[in-house]
Amino acid sequence: EVLLLESGGGLVQPGGSLSLSCAASGFSFSSYVMNWVRQAPGKGLEWVSAIRGSGTTYYADSVKGRFTISRDNSKNTLYLEMDSLTAEDTAIYYCVKDNIVGAIHHNDYWGQGTLVTVSS
Amino acid sequence: DIQLTQSPSFLSASVGDRVTITCRASQGISTYLAWYQQKPGKAPKLLIYAASTLQSGVPSRFSGSGSGTEFTLTISSLQPEDFATYYCQQLNSYPRSTFGQGTRLEIK
Repeated sequence: EVLLLESGGGLVQPGGSLSLSCAASGFSFSSYVMNWVRQAPGKGLEWVSAIRGSGTTYYADSVKGRFTISRDNSKNTLYLEMDSLTAEDTAIYYCVKDNIVGAIHHNDYWGQGTLVTVSS
Repeated sequence: DIQLTQSPSFLSASVGDRVTITCRASQGISTYLAWYQQKPGKAPKLLIYAASTLQSGVPSRFSGSGSGTEFTLTISSLQPEDFATYYCQQLNSYPRSTFGQGTRLEIK
């Protein structure tokens, strides 16, 4: 069974930093692209960042230069380091596994999410 | 950036109804489109990928179609557990992706 368990969310002041983790199990972690997707309260879904098994990284323009995605394949863990946080970063952050069938990618498993609140 | 526009944003329907949600892309994305269902307080759940392929375990009353810029999600006969918010997602610019704004499906 695929499990994705996020942790590290909480309350942080504007301008502060926070680190999220996602412990993965039930699949060959190093073989899959992993993503962070967020959802502001009462709003829609926003893709934040992705990382290939090799470590190549991708970011949404809204977080580029402030957030850093990384992974430790030996620990089956995905990370998101968030700096210079603003109120607009307040959201539930989901850890999301990619899958590929043929040449078609899709996000087949999502964690339960961890809430990040940026407020003074 | 590729934008996705879902319509309607809100839909009221009854158990047993057939409903269709549309997702339009700002440029052609072939069939690189997925649909998700999200219930309050829960993570999104994958329903359909590659525009029309049903994810394992998803009931056959869900179906998807389309290619290029226009896509539809159809629920053939609404069940009580189907009342939720539905999102489309484009993966043409993979691994970057974008989501539609969502369609909230409520009981009439």
